Amino acid sequence: DAKTTQPPSMDCAEGRAANLPCNHSTISGNEYVYWYRQIHSQGPQYIIHGLKNNETNEMASLIITEDRKSSTLILPHATLRDTAVYYCIVRVAGANNLFFGTGTRLTVIP
Amino acid sequence: DAMVIQNPRYQVTQFGKPVTLSCSQTLNHNVMYWYQQKSSQAPKLLFHYYDKDFNNEADTPDNFQSRRPNTSFCFLDIRSPGLGDAAMYLCATSRDWEYQETQYFGPGTRLLVL
Repeated sequence: DAKTTQPPSMDCAEGRAANLPCNHSTISGNEYVYWYRQIHSQGPQYIIHGLKNNETNEMASLIITEDRKSSTLILPHATLRDTAVYYCIVRVAGANNLFFGTGTRLTVIP
Repeated sequence: DAMVIQNPRYQVTQFGKPVTLSCSQTLNHNVMYWYQQKSSQAPKLLFHYYDKDFNNEADTPDNFQSRRPNTSFCFLDIRSPGLGDAAMYLCATSRDWEYQETQYFGPGTRLLVL
């Protein structure tokens, strides 16, 4: 499994963009990068995923570097409800297992 | 709304007393998963069902079993809970077993072992 490395915690001011980095230097060519988040006492929630192109949906944007060794999840206008642990996950090719790392605890500050 | 439902949200059991946690889904997904999440840790996959085929993770203790009587329901049985089994148990589903399929999680059942 490709391993991911994330900072343990980050703060972001409400209304500002939150940029959450993830390092996945051993990623294979057919492995996707996924982001999930877990708000306190709730189940994880899917945010976005990508292979090599940048992706955007109603929740966030995902920027993947050209060499695919790192990526950044961007929440364009963070709200207090975005306070959560954010997990960057590289999916094992051919399997649907999610191997969660330690994640980044994002705190949005009023 | 289609969703993944877990009942109860909180379960208290005694040391060694068997306990069953339940999960149901209205998504009609083929795959159902059980994860264990201990305090301040990331979720860890215990096992999954692809339709009726059961797949156990290599390091899942024998104390944990699962049943899936039909597409909609899946149960987690803990035969003899120990204090170390206190955790949040998360059920998830995905439409199929392709690695780009999104998993949808329920709210979890928090198990307390006395």
